[in-house]
Amino acid sequence: EDQVTQSPEALRLQEGESSSLNCSYTVSGLRGLFWYRQDPGKGPEFLFTLYSAGEEKEKERLKATLTKKESFLHITAPKPEDSATYLCAVGGGSNYKLTFGKGTLLTVNP
Amino acid sequence: DAGVTQSPTHLIKTRGQQVTLRCSPKSGHDTVSWYQQALGQGPQFIFQYYEEEERQRGNFPDRFSGHQFPNYSSELNVNALLLGDSALYLCASSPLRDRDNQPQHFGDGTRLSIL
Repeated sequence: EDQVTQSPEALRLQEGESSSLNCSYTVSGLRGLFWYRQDPGKGPEFLFTLYSAGEEKEKERLKATLTKKESFLHITAPKPEDSATYLCAVGGGSNYKLTFGKGTLLTVNP
Repeated sequence: DAGVTQSPTHLIKTRGQQVTLRCSPKSGHDTVSWYQQALGQGPQFIFQYYEEEERQRGNFPDRFSGHQFPNYSSELNVNALLLGDSALYLCASSPLRDRDNQPQHFGDGTRLSIL
Protein backbone atom coordinates (compact mmCIF):
# COMPACT_ATOMS: atom_id res chain seq x y z
CA GLU A 1 0.00 0.00 0.00
CA ASP A 2 1.25 3.50 -0.89
CA GLN A 3 2.49 5.54 2.08
CA VAL A 4 3.54 9.18 2.47
CA THR A 5 5.18 10.72 5.54
CA GLN A 6 5.83 14.44 5.80
CA SER A 7 8.16 16.21 8.20
CA PRO A 8 8.21 18.35 10.16
CA GLU A 9 4.53 18.56 11.12
CA ALA A 10 4.94 22.29 11.72
CA LEU A 11 7.67 24.79 10.87
CA ARG A 12 7.97 28.38 11.97
CA LEU A 13 10.36 30.66 10.05
CA GLN A 14 11.32 34.29 10.07
CA GLU A 15 10.81 36.18 6.84
CA GLY A 16 13.86 35.55 4.63
CA GLU A 17 14.93 32.40 6.52
CA SER A 18 15.23 29.59 3.95
CA SER A 19 14.37 25.98 4.81
CA SER A 20 13.15 22.66 3.40
CA LEU A 21 10.15 20.41 3.88
CA ASN A 22 10.49 16.63 3.54
CA CYS A 23 8.18 14.05 1.97
CA SER A 24 9.18 10.39 2.29
CA TYR A 25 7.20 7.88 0.27
CA THR A 26 6.81 4.21 -0.54
CA VAL A 27 4.92 3.33 -3.70
CA SER A 28 4.85 0.52 -6.19
CA GLY A 29 5.63 2.08 -9.55
CA LEU A 30 5.62 5.85 -9.07
CA ARG A 31 3.44 7.60 -11.63
CA GLY A 32 3.91 11.02 -10.11
CA LEU A 33 4.67 12.91 -6.89
CA PHE A 34 2.56 16.00 -6.37
CA TRP A 35 2.98 19.03 -4.12
CA TYR A 36 0.00 21.12 -3.10
CA ARG A 37 -0.49 24.23 -0.98
CA GLN A 38 -3.60 24.51 1.19
CA ASP A 39 -4.79 27.71 2.87
CA PRO A 40 -7.23 27.56 5.81
CA GLY A 41 -10.79 26.81 4.65
CA LYS A 42 -9.67 26.22 1.06
CA GLY A 43 -8.97 23.23 -1.14
CA PRO A 44 -5.43 22.15 -2.06
CA GLU A 45 -3.83 24.27 -4.78
CA PHE A 46 -1.58 22.40 -7.21
CA LEU A 47 2.08 23.44 -7.20
CA PHE A 48 4.29 20.80 -8.87
CA THR A 49 4.41 17.34 -10.37
CA LEU A 50 7.64 15.31 -10.33
CA TYR A 51 7.82 12.09 -12.32
CA SER A 52 11.30 10.64 -11.93
CA ALA A 53 14.30 10.73 -9.60
CA GLY A 54 16.58 13.68 -10.27
CA GLU A 55 13.80 15.89 -11.56
CA GLU A 56 13.49 19.45 -10.21
CA LYS A 57 10.74 22.07 -10.62
CA GLU A 58 10.78 25.73 -9.57
CA LYS A 59 8.12 28.38 -9.05
CA GLU A 60 8.99 31.74 -7.52
CA ARG A 61 10.50 31.01 -4.07
CA LEU A 62 9.70 27.28 -4.20
CA LYS A 63 11.80 24.46 -5.61
CA ALA A 64 10.81 20.78 -5.52
CA THR A 65 13.26 17.90 -5.92
CA LEU A 66 12.79 14.13 -6.12
CA THR A 67 14.84 11.05 -5.24
CA LYS A 68 13.75 7.41 -5.28
CA LYS A 69 12.61 7.60 -1.65
CA GLU A 70 11.80 11.23 -0.88
CA SER A 71 11.03 14.68 -2.15
CA PHE A 72 12.03 18.05 -0.76
CA LEU A 73 10.25 21.36 -1.08
CA HIS A 74 12.86 24.09 -0.66
CA ILE A 75 11.62 27.55 0.28
CA THR A 76 14.07 30.37 -0.41
CA ALA A 77 13.71 33.70 1.40
CA PRO A 78 10.08 33.05 2.38
CA LYS A 79 7.52 35.79 2.86
CA PRO A 80 4.52 35.84 5.23
CA GLU A 81 2.22 35.07 2.28
CA ASP A 82 3.96 31.69 1.93
CA SER A 83 2.33 30.64 5.21
CA ALA A 84 0.10 27.63 4.50
CA THR A 85 -0.07 23.85 4.85
CA TYR A 86 2.00 22.08 2.22
CA LEU A 87 0.75 18.65 1.18
CA CYS A 88 2.65 15.92 -0.64
CA ALA A 89 0.85 13.14 -2.54
CA VAL A 90 1.82 10.18 -4.69
CA GLY A 91 0.10 8.29 -7.46
CA GLY A 92 1.43 4.83 -8.13
CA GLY A 93 0.99 1.57 -9.99
CA SER A 94 -2.52 0.83 -11.15
CA ASN A 95 -4.04 3.21 -8.61
CA TYR A 96 -6.03 6.14 -9.86
CA LYS A 97 -6.10 7.71 -6.40
CA LEU A 98 -3.64 10.08 -4.78
CA THR A 99 -2.23 9.10 -1.38
CA PHE A 100 -1.53 12.15 0.75
CA GLY A 101 0.68 12.85 3.72
CA LYS A 102 -0.64 14.80 6.70
CA GLY A 103 1.07 17.97 5.56
CA THR A 104 3.51 20.50 6.99
CA LEU A 105 2.05 23.67 8.50
CA LEU A 106 4.43 26.50 7.56
CA THR A 107 4.25 29.82 9.37
CA VAL A 108 6.44 32.72 8.19
CA ASN A 109 6.68 35.60 10.62
CA PRO A 110 7.41 39.15 9.37
CA ASP B 1 -11.48 29.44 -17.07
CA ALA B 2 -13.62 28.20 -14.19
CA GLY B 3 -11.94 25.84 -11.80
CA VAL B 4 -13.58 23.04 -9.84
CA THR B 5 -16.75 24.26 -8.15
CA GLN B 6 -18.49 22.59 -5.23
CA SER B 7 -21.80 23.19 -3.51
CA PRO B 8 -22.85 23.85 -0.88
CA THR B 9 -19.87 25.39 0.92
CA HIS B 10 -21.18 24.50 4.36
CA LEU B 11 -23.77 22.02 5.60
CA ILE B 12 -25.05 21.04 9.03
CA LYS B 13 -26.86 17.73 9.47
CA THR B 14 -27.87 15.47 12.35
CA ARG B 15 -26.97 11.83 12.89
CA GLY B 16 -28.92 9.40 10.72
CA GLN B 17 -29.72 11.91 8.00
CA GLN B 18 -28.45 11.70 4.44
CA VAL B 19 -26.63 14.34 2.40
CA THR B 20 -25.81 15.06 -1.25
CA LEU B 21 -22.77 17.11 -2.24
CA ARG B 22 -22.22 18.41 -5.76
CA CYS B 23 -19.19 19.07 -7.94
CA SER B 24 -18.57 20.60 -11.37
CA PRO B 25 -15.15 19.75 -12.79
CA LYS B 26 -12.67 22.13 -14.34
CA SER B 27 -13.31 22.86 -18.00
CA GLY B 28 -11.74 20.16 -20.17
CA HIS B 29 -11.64 17.59 -17.36
CA ASP B 30 -13.66 14.38 -17.50
CA THR B 31 -12.52 12.49 -14.40
CA VAL B 32 -13.78 13.33 -10.92
CA SER B 33 -12.43 12.09 -7.58
CA TRP B 34 -13.81 12.65 -4.09
CA TYR B 35 -11.74 12.94 -0.92
CA GLN B 36 -12.54 13.32 2.78
CA GLN B 37 -10.27 15.55 4.85
CA ALA B 38 -10.54 15.44 8.63
CA LEU B 39 -9.12 18.31 10.67
CA GLY B 40 -5.31 18.20 10.74
CA GLN B 41 -5.13 15.30 8.28
CA GLY B 42 -4.39 14.90 4.60
CA PRO B 43 -7.21 14.12 2.17
CA GLN B 44 -8.35 10.47 2.07
CA PHE B 45 -9.54 9.00 -1.24
CA ILE B 46 -13.21 8.00 -1.35
CA PHE B 47 -13.72 7.10 -5.03
CA GLN B 48 -13.16 8.19 -8.62
CA TYR B 49 -15.64 8.45 -11.48
CA TYR B 50 -14.93 8.28 -15.19
CA GLU B 51 -17.43 7.81 -18.03
CA GLU B 52 -20.23 7.79 -15.45
CA GLU B 53 -18.84 4.74 -13.66
CA GLU B 54 -16.99 4.27 -10.38
CA ARG B 55 -13.47 3.37 -11.44
CA GLN B 56 -11.81 2.91 -8.06
CA ARG B 57 -12.95 3.03 -4.46
CA GLY B 58 -11.06 3.72 -1.24
CA ASN B 59 -11.67 2.24 2.20
CA PHE B 60 -15.07 3.79 2.81
CA PRO B 61 -18.32 1.97 3.67
CA ASP B 62 -21.22 1.54 1.28
CA ARG B 63 -22.95 4.47 2.98
CA PHE B 64 -20.81 6.56 0.67
CA SER B 65 -22.00 6.48 -2.92
CA GLY B 66 -21.63 8.65 -5.95
CA HIS B 67 -22.75 9.45 -9.42
CA GLN B 68 -21.33 11.11 -12.50
CA PHE B 69 -23.51 12.77 -15.11
CA PRO B 70 -22.99 13.01 -18.89
CA ASN B 71 -21.68 16.57 -18.49
CA TYR B 72 -18.95 15.15 -16.15
CA SER B 73 -20.39 16.77 -13.01
CA SER B 74 -20.67 14.52 -10.00
CA GLU B 75 -22.51 13.97 -6.73
CA LEU B 76 -21.39 12.38 -3.47
CA ASN B 77 -24.14 10.87 -1.32
CA VAL B 78 -23.70 9.83 2.29
CA ASN B 79 -26.46 7.91 4.09
CA ALA B 80 -27.04 7.28 7.79
CA LEU B 81 -24.66 10.07 8.83
CA LEU B 82 -22.38 9.48 11.81
CA LEU B 83 -20.60 12.03 13.98
CA GLY B 84 -17.32 10.80 12.45
CA ASP B 85 -18.46 11.89 9.00
CA SER B 86 -17.83 15.51 9.99
CA ALA B 87 -15.07 16.68 7.64
CA LEU B 88 -14.17 18.76 4.60
CA TYR B 89 -15.27 16.91 1.45
CA LEU B 90 -13.12 17.73 -1.54
CA CYS B 91 -13.79 17.16 -5.20
CA ALA B 92 -10.88 16.94 -7.64
CA SER B 93 -10.90 16.74 -11.41
CA SER B 94 -8.31 15.75 -13.99
CA PRO B 95 -8.12 15.14 -17.72
CA LEU B 96 -7.80 11.50 -18.76
CA ARG B 97 -4.61 11.48 -20.74
CA ASP B 98 -1.04 10.31 -20.24
CA ARG B 99 -2.27 7.33 -18.19
CA ASP B 100 -3.52 9.43 -15.29
CA ASN B 101 -0.21 11.18 -14.63
CA GLN B 102 -1.95 14.54 -14.80
CA PRO B 103 -2.38 16.40 -11.51
CA GLN B 104 -5.78 16.51 -9.90
CA HIS B 105 -7.20 20.00 -9.37
CA PHE B 106 -9.29 20.55 -6.26
CA GLY B 107 -12.31 22.64 -5.39
CA ASP B 108 -12.62 24.46 -2.07
CA GLY B 109 -14.75 21.70 -0.61
CA THR B 110 -17.94 21.33 1.37
CA ARG B 111 -17.58 21.60 5.14
CA LEU B 112 -19.99 19.01 6.60
CA SER B 113 -20.81 19.17 10.30
CA ILE B 114 -22.82 16.41 11.99
CA LEU B 115 -24.62 17.24 15.24
